[in-house]
Amino acid sequence: DGGITQSPKYLFRKEGQNVTLSCEQNLNHDAMYWYRQDPGQGLRLIYYSQIVNDFQKGDIAEGYSVSREKKESFPLTVTSAQKNPTAFYLCASSSGLADGELFFGEGSRLTVL
Amino acid sequence: GQQLNQSPQSMFIQEGEDVSMNCTSSSIFNTWLWYKQEPGEGPVLLIALYKAGELTSNGRLTAQFGITRKDSFLNISASIPSDVGIYFCAGSLTVYGGSQGNLIFGKGTKLSVKP
Repeated sequence: DGGITQSPKYLFRKEGQNVTLSCEQNLNHDAMYWYRQDPGQGLRLIYYSQIVNDFQKGDIAEGYSVSREKKESFPLTVTSAQKNPTAFYLCASSSGLADGELFFGEGSRLTVL
Repeated sequence: GQQLNQSPQSMFIQEGEDVSMNCTSSSIFNTWLWYKQEPGEGPVLLIALYKAGELTSNGRLTAQFGITRKDSFLNISASIPSDVGIYFCAGSLTVYGGSQGNLIFGKGTKLSVKP
């Protein structure tokens, strides 16, 4: 079945360590996104990519980095520069045919100790 | 920047009751969407609205795109325990072919249903 796979589901890291979250999709979608979700907050856009080898900063890109070397993959690295990295991270993709219609993965919960 | 005000923040209802939640903005949007997120999962699209005044149903769910383009509401009729979750509204300035980086999400309405 087509979908988006995020891994790992849960991740614990020590402060100061970089960590990379994986996102893979087999929906043949051109666009992919990373959102951050904190309790009681909406989804805030970190980075998005509309095509391979191109990506744009979202509203809260500081302390994060991404790459888009393949259409299916859009990994997110949470660097040590991110001051408050503990959060629920959601990856999404879209075909781009109808704006706003996103398909989300199941999320990755990162806890920094 | 643009913001969506979603209300109420949370609701505690009895099974079988109807539910109503809404989303307002000071800016015009050309697309309104409603997503549902169950605990520990990613959001799932429920309804997408593309035309001012549009009223769309999906089973027990009904959503409307406000005439002013600055608001939208979602109704759930005869709630059941599996309706539990967080409901997010989202607005986009564009309908087709726009940058998805312009999608704005509300903070969500957390729904609890008592059997």
